[in-house]
Amino acid sequence: GQNIDQPTEMTATEGAIVQINCTYQTSGFNGLFWYQQHAGEAPTFLSYNVLDGLEEKGRFSSFLSRSKGYSYLLLKELQMKDSASYLCAAMDSNYQLIWGAGTKLIIKP
Amino acid sequence: GAVVSQHPSRVICKSGTSVKIECRSLDFQATTMFWYRQFPKQSLMLMATSNEGSKATYEQGVEKDKFLINHASLTLSTLTVTSAHPEDSSFYICSARDLTSSYNEQFFGPGTRLTVL
Repeated sequence: GQNIDQPTEMTATEGAIVQINCTYQTSGFNGLFWYQQHAGEAPTFLSYNVLDGLEEKGRFSSFLSRSKGYSYLLLKELQMKDSASYLCAAMDSNYQLIWGAGTKLIIKP
Repeated sequence: GAVVSQHPSRVICKSGTSVKIECRSLDFQATTMFWYRQFPKQSLMLMATSNEGSKATYEQGVEKDKFLINHASLTLSTLTVTSAHPEDSSFYICSARDLTSSYNEQFFGPGTRLTVL
């Protein structure tokens, strides 16, 4: 079956670095997405990886290892506004997104 | 970037009535749109995949006669919740895939919060 696993909740301190891990199992693979979702709002696109390695975009970076079925989202210089849920989603062979349950990130001052 | 709108953003209705939610891709053509439902503190749950000009594909456990989906044009898909009941109260979100984008990512509408009294 198809499955995405990510931690339910993480806590970090303002200004610090946090890594949110995601493992996936899908029928075929066409890339791994990370979305950010603030409470009561729709998800917004953060990153996309289809090749192995690290993609850096400002304070956010995303890593993919296809052989391990593993990805992580790295957030640097955390700000209070980064408090949100982070959704990992893998695209299968039918170009359908398989969603994780999301990781709620709590930032403390 | 690609923009998806949803209307209405919030609706309150009485039990037994029907509610229609519109999802529009504003600056791109979307042959495929997706309808999600999200209950408080839970993740997105895909309800159905809507393809322009054909019948929607519903996920297991989603009643197609209760959640009517119409995707009559390349920029508009509608979800009608028929005979709504309090347990249908949820956050409904649509997304559209822009096949011209580099990543095939889905762009989300702002969501519709449905409350059934």
